[in-house]
Amino acid sequence: NAGVTQTPKFRVLKTGQSMTLLCAQDMNHEYMYWYRQDPGMGLRLIHYSVGEGTTAKGEVPDGYNVSRLKKQNFLLGLESAAPSQTSVYFCASSRNEGTEAFFGQGTRLTVV
Amino acid sequence: GDSVTQMEGPVTLSEEAFLTINCTYTATGYPSLFWYVQYPGEGLQLLLKATKADDKGSNKGFEATYRKETTSFHLEKGSVQVSDSAVYFCALSDHGGGSNYKLTFGKGTLLTVNP
Repeated sequence: NAGVTQTPKFRVLKTGQSMTLLCAQDMNHEYMYWYRQDPGMGLRLIHYSVGEGTTAKGEVPDGYNVSRLKKQNFLLGLESAAPSQTSVYFCASSRNEGTEAFFGQGTRLTVV
Repeated sequence: GDSVTQMEGPVTLSEEAFLTINCTYTATGYPSLFWYVQYPGEGLQLLLKATKADDKGSNKGFEATYRKETTSFHLEKGSVQVSDSAVYFCALSDHGGGSNYKLTFGKGTLLTVNP
């Protein structure tokens, strides 16, 4: 069982470049999340989705966009990368509210 | 809004010592509570959970009790091992009172266990 798979695992971007992070889950979960993890800040929610075709803003959404065109995929886009977006990004999914989330292995992004 | 506060780290213990990591929460609805663990270079894994007041979650010798009266969910282990060295996150998932069912995490506590 693959669980939650994130691609790519590592990426270096130049300021102003764009990229898309892909998250795929094979557990038929309704809920999917994108977090960023920074030293001393814990995990902060960027965007989340409570079902196919829906998205909502988390606590740090600026500079990011998301799409959930298919239930199993949740894409995170950076239109114009900035050094402040250097972070480790985690995708997660859960069956519904109140249940545990399953996490991907993370994407380490560096913006220079 | 929802929030989770857990004790600042880092925490350094000797093998076989007793561990407590404090966690308190604020929620508008009826949250489920979780402890996640993150080993170096990996994603988060669920360690244990509790879905209602007075529930006790337990796994791998760790346990935590959902205390509604003190809004707490402290993590404990009687005898830690070197392999327990990791970052521990307390989290809640609120599903009532107009919340959006999202997970909210504490900032994490780094635990290092020395042999």
